[in-house]
Amino acid sequence: QLQLQESGPGLVKPSETLSLTCTVSGGSISSSSYYWGWIRQPPGKGLEWIGSIYYSGSTYYNPSLKSRVTISVDTSKNQFSLKLSSVTAADTAVYYCGSAAGMWWFDPWGQGTLVTVSS
Amino acid sequence: EIVMTQSPATLSVSPGERATLSCRASQSVSSNLAWYQQKPGQAPRLLIYGASTRATGIPARFSGSGSGTEFTLTISSLQSEDFAVYYCQGSGTFGQGTKVEIK
Repeated sequence: QLQLQESGPGLVKPSETLSLTCTVSGGSISSSSYYWGWIRQPPGKGLEWIGSIYYSGSTYYNPSLKSRVTISVDTSKNQFSLKLSSVTAADTAVYYCGSAAGMWWFDPWGQGTLVTVSS
Repeated sequence: EIVMTQSPATLSVSPGERATLSCRASQSVSSNLAWYQQKPGQAPRLLIYGASTRATGIPARFSGSGSGTEFTLTISSLQSEDFAVYYCQGSGTFGQGTKVEIK
């Protein structure tokens, strides 16, 4: 069964770019069966979908973040990545990666990684 | 942009009782509606997708209904492990969550 694991820096400075990677095991990221996505959750708050990518490379972004987000796939490493530019303290959150069989329905999720934006 | 509104914000229920959670979309999402359960310190878990289909391994006491803009998650008989926060998600957008707490 699919398992996902986020990795990346836990601390990012304001105005810099947040970069995270999600490693997929138990299945191929090139499968046409799944979309691969990122979701975040500020401390004590609700969930926010950031964006998703299909194995073909097609991307779908939350309109509110679209100007700052890039999601890409590395099929050779069975990974997909998130880049969020020009971060501020408002981008401090637990960042989750997930697979979605129906584009929106994320299952499973990674365990999440806390990223703090601070100088 | 679609806005998902969940009600109530908090639901106090006794174990064994039924819980009914609501989710409203600002425009039709057809049946592109999912429900998730999240416990403290854990990632969310998919319960329902396609508005009414239980995800793998989800107990039958969880059921979803609705289409278009109005959706409901029903937990028929609350177990101790069901006390958590529940989120709906319509075509990408999440609701703000409903906390189900012990009465």
